[in-house]
Amino acid sequence: AQSVAQPEDQVNVAEGNPLTVKCTYSVSGNPYLFWYVQYPNRGLQFLLKYITGDNLVKGSYGFEAEFNKSQTSFHLKKPSALVSDSALYFCAVRGGSYIPTFGRGTSLIVHP
Amino acid sequence: EAGVTQFPSHSVIEKGQTVTLRCDPISGHDNLYWYRRVMGKEIKFLLHFVKESKQDESGMPNNRFLAERTGGTYSTLKVQPAELEDSGVYFCASSPLATTGNTEAFFGQGTRLTVV
Repeated sequence: AQSVAQPEDQVNVAEGNPLTVKCTYSVSGNPYLFWYVQYPNRGLQFLLKYITGDNLVKGSYGFEAEFNKSQTSFHLKKPSALVSDSALYFCAVRGGSYIPTFGRGTSLIVHP
Repeated sequence: EAGVTQFPSHSVIEKGQTVTLRCDPISGHDNLYWYRRVMGKEIKFLLHFVKESKQDESGMPNNRFLAERTGGTYSTLKVQPAELEDSGVYFCASSPLATTGNTEAFFGQGTRLTVV
């Protein structure tokens, strides 16, 4: 079985500071990892994915994520947070099954 | 190009009533998924269509839920009769058919269902 853990329900960060949203996973075989963002009253939007290759993946809106196989983690990062980044972030993993498994989401709040 | 669209965006029904949610995937996407998120919990998989066939319905909670995908185009998810615990946001997603798992899914805006 595959699973995702997002240990933080909420992350608070000041605008201009770096942000990290944590994600760890469990899966059989090679993982395919995804980050999605949900803005208020909107659907989930794809941010970035790791399939293979470079462990640092760059995505939309200046976000990036680092795949760490030994720690089974795929933390989302951004060097300088914006107030407009405030949203709900979901990590997902897909292994042998074509069905992605999602975490419970982390609410990111960026304070002006 | 239109994205995944879901209708209605909100629905409030009484316990025991029937509700039907609709999802129109991106044109040409053979994979269609239904997910549900109960407040504060993870987004849970319900079922997966490939074209008109149910590929995996292991996440369907019980037989009060019925999903169909006529002609491999749009899909409906019917809840009959609805119970209080069915409340949540129902997401639909679609993706192109692929032989590997590296294709991301595209999500609709969700239907917020409230059963009172």
